[in-house]
Amino acid sequence: NAGVTQTPKFRVLKTGQSMTLLCAQDMNHEYMYWYRQDPGMGLRLIHYSVGEGTTAKGEVPDGYNVSRLKKQNFLLGLESAAPSQTSVYFCASSLTGSPLHFGNGTRLTVT
Amino acid sequence: ELKVEQNPLFLSMQEGKNYTIYCNYSTTSDRLYWYRQDPGKSLESLFVLLSNGAVKQEGRLMASLDTKARLSTLHITAAVHDLSATYFCAVTNQAGTALIFGKGTTLSVSS
Repeated sequence: NAGVTQTPKFRVLKTGQSMTLLCAQDMNHEYMYWYRQDPGMGLRLIHYSVGEGTTAKGEVPDGYNVSRLKKQNFLLGLESAAPSQTSVYFCASSLTGSPLHFGNGTRLTVT
Repeated sequence: ELKVEQNPLFLSMQEGKNYTIYCNYSTTSDRLYWYRQDPGKSLESLFVLLSNGAVKQEGRLMASLDTKARLSTLHITAAVHDLSATYFCAVTNQAGTALIFGKGTTLSVSS
């Protein structure tokens, strides 16, 4: 079982560029999440989804958009990347809201 | 708004010593999690605490929960180098749909 798979693992963007991070889970989980991790800030919730076709804002949603068109996939989009979005992004999924199963992270650098 | 505070944020310990990490949260929650993260890795679930007075132990780590005080502790007994990592506590939001994390405690154990 793959669990939670994040694509890509690393990415470098220039300011103003756009990109999409993909999260895929094969556990038939209803809930999916995007967090960002910055030094000294812990994990902060960006957006989450409680089922196919639903999304909700987390603690730090500004500058990001998400979509959950299929139950197994949760996409995180940056329309116009900024240096403040340099971070490690973690996707997670859950059957009922907790516990969370995490992916291995995507390291994004915006120059 | 739910806030989760951990202290200390950094902890340098000698092997063989005992110490406690504290996790306070601001609003009622029905479950609390402890996670471990090794450098450059994803998060691994350690404990889930579901009720007042709950205590869980694994090896040299013991977690407890006091829901009246909104406080959880992670006690380390006779620390060893292998326990060096960052430890996060996380609490479910009021709707039970997401986990909100503390900033983490980075533990370094040296001989």
